[in-house]
Amino acid sequence: EDKVVQSPLSLVVHEGDTVTLNCSYEVTNFRSLLWYKQEKKAPTFLFMLTSSGIEKKSGRLSSILDKKELFSILNITATQTGDSAVYLCAPFGDDKIIFGKGTRLHILP
Amino acid sequence: DAGITQSPRYKITETGRQVTLMCHQTWSHSYMFWYRQDLGHGLRLIYYSAAADITDKGEVPDGYVVSRSKTENFPLTLESATRSQTSVYFCASTRTGHYTEAFFGQGTRLTVV
Repeated sequence: EDKVVQSPLSLVVHEGDTVTLNCSYEVTNFRSLLWYKQEKKAPTFLFMLTSSGIEKKSGRLSSILDKKELFSILNITATQTGDSAVYLCAPFGDDKIIFGKGTRLHILP
Repeated sequence: DAGITQSPRYKITETGRQVTLMCHQTWSHSYMFWYRQDLGHGLRLIYYSAAADITDKGEVPDGYVVSRSKTENFPLTLESATRSQTSVYFCASTRTGHYTEAFFGQGTRLTVV
């Protein structure tokens, strides 16, 4: 059965801190792993990862995939209050995309 | 306008009624998905479709029906709505080849009273 586990489920840090969000997965016929950010509306796309060991970066956010160990991490450096959101991990395998429960990140000013 | 749109955005219905949520995309994406989002559960896959006339059950399909007669449309029907189906529903689509993001509609907030 397909499974996606994100940790931690909730995280509160101060502005300027660095955070690491974790995602482990088990899916059949893995193709890619997607990261999304969700505030009060539909999820917005952050990264797509297909190959192990290649870091994707966008500003203060970066992500990496380990296809052998079946996990991915999302790093956010120098966090800002605007980073407060739920971060969702979603592997794409066997014609479907399933989501983890997400990590709820709250940044204190 | 190009994109993926859901309708209605908000719906209140009574227990036992049939209700259909619409999803339309203009990109001719092969893959389409329906999710429901409830507090504490994240996004759960209801049904998905790899192409027109091909649909499959996801994690929580009971009480729902889908069809995909045209590539651009993927309606979700609640045959006999129950209070437990009160939720926010998201439709998403993506291209073939798997190497692309999934694009989301704005969501439909459904309340069953």
